[in-house]
Amino acid sequence: GQQLNQSPQSMFIQEGEDVSMNCTSSSIFNTWLWYKQDPGEGPVLLIALYKAGELTSNGRLTAQFGITRKDSFLNISASIPSDVGIYFCAGPLLNTGGFKTIFGAGTRLFVKA
Amino acid sequence: NAGVTQTPKFQVLKTGQSMTLQCAQDMNHNSMYWYRQDPGMGLRLIYYSASEGTTDKGEVPNGYNVSRLNKREFSLRLESAAPSQTSVYFCASSDPYTTEQYFGPGTRLTVT
Repeated sequence: GQQLNQSPQSMFIQEGEDVSMNCTSSSIFNTWLWYKQDPGEGPVLLIALYKAGELTSNGRLTAQFGITRKDSFLNISASIPSDVGIYFCAGPLLNTGGFKTIFGAGTRLFVKA
Repeated sequence: NAGVTQTPKFQVLKTGQSMTLQCAQDMNHNSMYWYRQDPGMGLRLIYYSASEGTTDKGEVPNGYNVSRLNKREFSLRLESAAPSQTSVYFCASSDPYTTEQYFGPGTRLTVT
């Protein structure tokens, strides 16, 4: 079935560094979603992208919808300790029963103060 | 406005026992979902309900049943729990026109 491949699997960085992660698929998506999951919590939507080539920011976060519609990128600038967590990309697929969203395996971010 | 709520937060079952996980949302969303999250596996869809009165299988439905009780509530039932069902279970809801999902805090289930 369809898969979303996220990389890297984990990152260990120093506070203040910038972070880049990406998500790729062999399938085309019309929407890309980025979620963050804090330890012990449910995922929270960070950014939604609806158009190929779109670049969207949310504070220190910037995400891009790849021009081929098969990839997306998330950047975090000037990381802080509360950025720790798992970042998931997700893509909704429309079928007869409605939308089914598939998720990547996540990028685990560790920030050292 | 509580968003998506789940009960219980933690549960320990013995193999073969049954239980129902409850989920409710107060955002008037049409669509609701159940996922399981295992270490390193991301989120896998168990069942979903596009609207009240409909349910469909997701990626990993075996061993589970669901009930969309009304627009607000969507429950997940394990009829005969197995150790392989040890996981964290998340409920989510969405407006079908945006596909942006809102998640509950999760239920941490251990089957011994």
